[in-house]
Amino acid sequence: SQKIEQNSEALNIQEGKTATLTCNYTNYSPAYLQWYRQDPGRGPVFLLLIRENEKEKRKERLKVTFDTTLKQSLFHITASQPADSATYLCVWGYAGNNRKLIWGLGTSLAVNP
Amino acid sequence: DAGITQSPRYKITETGRQVTLMCHQTWSHSYMFWYRQDLGHGLRLIYYSAAADITDKGEVPDGYVVSRSKTENFPLTLESATRSQTSVYFCASSPQTGGVNTGELFFGEGSRLTVL
Repeated sequence: SQKIEQNSEALNIQEGKTATLTCNYTNYSPAYLQWYRQDPGRGPVFLLLIRENEKEKRKERLKVTFDTTLKQSLFHITASQPADSATYLCVWGYAGNNRKLIWGLGTSLAVNP
Repeated sequence: DAGITQSPRYKITETGRQVTLMCHQTWSHSYMFWYRQDLGHGLRLIYYSAAADITDKGEVPDGYVVSRSKTENFPLTLESATRSQTSVYFCASSPQTGGVNTGELFFGEGSRLTVL
């Protein structure tokens, strides 16, 4: 079955550094991958979507890459801040069919001042 | 305020009782979803709705009932709660642009349900 794998170990980095989170998927390439942020006790918040024909997407300090050969997406936060501390979720999706999203378990990021 | 709201935020009930979790969105998004989030599992889809009066099962629908008589509301009912339904429940909505769903989900703050 289709799976999404994110690093289960928490990532601890120093403020100002670049955080890089990994999302690997098995079997089929998705039509798109999404990244969400989730704070404790809150609902996920959408950050970025990258489609299968895109290699990179940027939004302010965020950057997502998509490598269909490696079956991997990398999520980067540059100039990280303590406020970036949260769990980041990777999501695999079919084209135009978001009822079949497959969610990763998320990676916890802690940015230390 | 605009957005998606869930109620109650916290609920404790007993096995066998009926519980309804409410979800209301003000964006007039076509799609609405109910997910549950449990430790060790990614978000799992319970039910979704593409429009008013159109609902369909997701990955884990057993023991749950939904309805959508109005675009803005999507209540989730546990007909006879079981301990395995102790979880955090998230409602989400998604817009449809030009006949194509964009994929981006907007989530509520969640309803934490404990079944004793």
